[in-house]
This record gives sequence, structure tokens and C-alpha cells, in this order.
Amino acid sequence: IAGITQAPTSQILAAGRRMTLRCTQDMRHNAMYWYRQDLGLGLRLIHYSNTAGTTGKGEVPDGYSVSRANTDDFPLTLASAVPSQTSVYFCASSDKGTGELFFGEGSRLTVL
Amino acid sequence: GQNIDQPTEMTATEGAIVQINCTYQTSGFNGLFWYQQHAGEAPTFLSYNVLDGLEEKGRFSSFLSRSKGYSYLLLKELQMKDSASYLCAGMDSNYQLIWGAGTKLIIKP
Repeated sequence: IAGITQAPTSQILAAGRRMTLRCTQDMRHNAMYWYRQDLGLGLRLIHYSNTAGTTGKGEVPDGYSVSRANTDDFPLTLASAVPSQTSVYFCASSDKGTGELFFGEGSRLTVL
Repeated sequence: GQNIDQPTEMTATEGAIVQINCTYQTSGFNGLFWYQQHAGEAPTFLSYNVLDGLEEKGRFSSFLSRSKGYSYLLLKELQMKDSASYLCAGMDSNYQLIWGAGTKLIIKP
């Protein structure tokens, strides 16, 4: 089934640990995004990639890094997790950067 | 600054009609989007408006007034499965989406 796969779906992590959230899409979309969603706030863009080999910073990039080695994969890394990074993380993709985004099922991350 | 405002929560009755409003301020404008998000799930695309007027898609319609920085999502013949959060998002001049916090819609029998 075509779509976006995120892993893990849920994770509890000790502060200071390194964590990579994985995201893979099979729709051959050029643009990919990482958002975090917190209660009472809108989706906030962390990083994005308009095409393989390029990445850009979103609204809340500090503490996060991404890479886009190929079209399908867009992992998000927390180098040293802090409790304020407790959130639900959504990966999304779109064809040619349109606003019609396709989202993964989300990764719920708790940093203690 | 850029901002999207929408009500936090609304309640409506099964079978009725509900209108969810959204006002936006973006740096440049490349369209207004509505997404539906059921609890614990990912958002899914509902509608896109870039020109003034009403776009109808089955039971759901979306309206845009660019001069007023205003949009609404109209849901008709409400069903229990319409209980969800509805997210309004404006696309700015850099083609990035600016998201509202979402409106939680509660449907009562």
C-alpha cells in the first residue's frame, strides 16, 4: 500500500540519549517534511527537504537534524534529547511542494 | 508575523450543519487548506482554496475571502464519524504551510 511509514510509533527515551525517527515514502514525492504537534499548538515545521540532497530549516529546528540521501527516506535525529522534545512527530510528503500533504501515522516520543 | 486563528472547540448535533471559521495572516498568500485529524491519527487533506468563493465537495464545503483574510469549512448532514479536529493552514510566499491549532468538533446524537 502506497504511503508514508514512520518508525518507531512510540518511544520512551532518557534525556541525553540520541534518537533517530525514520520516515520512508513510496510515492516518489519530491518534498518531505518533519512536524511536531503539541497540545494547544498548531503543527510546527522542524525541517524540510524540497528534493533529494537538499534540506532546510523550519520554524523549530534547534536540537534536530535531518538528511535526504535519496527520494524515499527522510530521517530525523535528536542528537541529545531533552524533555521539551516530548511530542508527537509527523513526517509528511507532497508532490512538487504543493500544500496537499500526505502524513505518516506519527511517532509519539517521550523524553524523561 | 504570521498567524492562523480558529476556535478551540465546537459542539454540534448529528444531522445538523456546522461552520468552522478561520482567519489568517501570512507573508504572501498561496492558498488556504483544511485538514481533518481524528484523535490519535494523522491529518488528512480535505480542501484547498486559492481564489475567492465556495468550493463544494460532497458534504464538505470550504469558502475563502482573500480581502478579509477569512475562510470557513462547512460540514452538512453531520455524522458521528465527523467528530475530529479540523486544521486550517495558510500557505505563505515561500510555499510553507502555517498551521492553526485546530478546532475540535464534538458531535452529539
